[in-house]
Amino acid sequence: DVKVTQSSRYLVKRTGEKVFLECVQDMDHENMFWYRQDPGLGLRLIYFSYDVKMKEKGDIPEGYSVSREKKERFSLILESASTNQTSMYLCASSPGPTGGGQPQHFGDGTRLSIL
Amino acid sequence: DQQVKQNSPSLSVQEGRISILNCDYTNSMFDYFLWYKKYPAEGPTFLISISSIKDKNEDGRFTVFLNKSAKHLSLHIVPSQPGDSAVYFCAAINFGNEKLTFGTGTRLTIIP
Repeated sequence: DVKVTQSSRYLVKRTGEKVFLECVQDMDHENMFWYRQDPGLGLRLIYFSYDVKMKEKGDIPEGYSVSREKKERFSLILESASTNQTSMYLCASSPGPTGGGQPQHFGDGTRLSIL
Repeated sequence: DQQVKQNSPSLSVQEGRISILNCDYTNSMFDYFLWYKKYPAEGPTFLISISSIKDKNEDGRFTVFLNKSAKHLSLHIVPSQPGDSAVYFCAAINFGNEKLTFGTGTRLTIIP
């Protein structure tokens, strides 16, 4: 079974702090993704990576950056946290192109509150 | 601009009956569609998918139907069970693109 592990289930930070969310997958998947889930908006893609040190912007990249130094690990960074970044953050991975029939597998999420 | 729409935020169905969840999309470039199921405090779990070259895909109690001309897909669950109570998201993508577009979700409640 694919295991996508997010380092924290709950996190509380202050406005202006630099925040790191970590994600690790154990299936040697090529692709990794970061989403945020908000009520009434579904899941929205922030960034994704299809290889080590490679990254692509998703639909809402503003205020975020990512890092992928190793294949199994994908980090989401909030450079200067703001209250509108309070959300549920979900990491996912896939072995190949999702559009080619390779579904994304999700972690259990990190609920981040910015005070 | 919501390219994938799930117009019913919630749905209640009696145990043993059929659950039908609907999803509409506006982007005709989408050619692969997925359904995910999400329990509270867990990540979404992949349920079933369908390519645009098909109009039906079945996996056990779950069947997805695709009507390309209407840009509409539906997920049928027969028979519905209490463990099916969850939020269901439909998602769409086009080949060669890694950007999944999700709907806003439908909360399904199965009444015992």
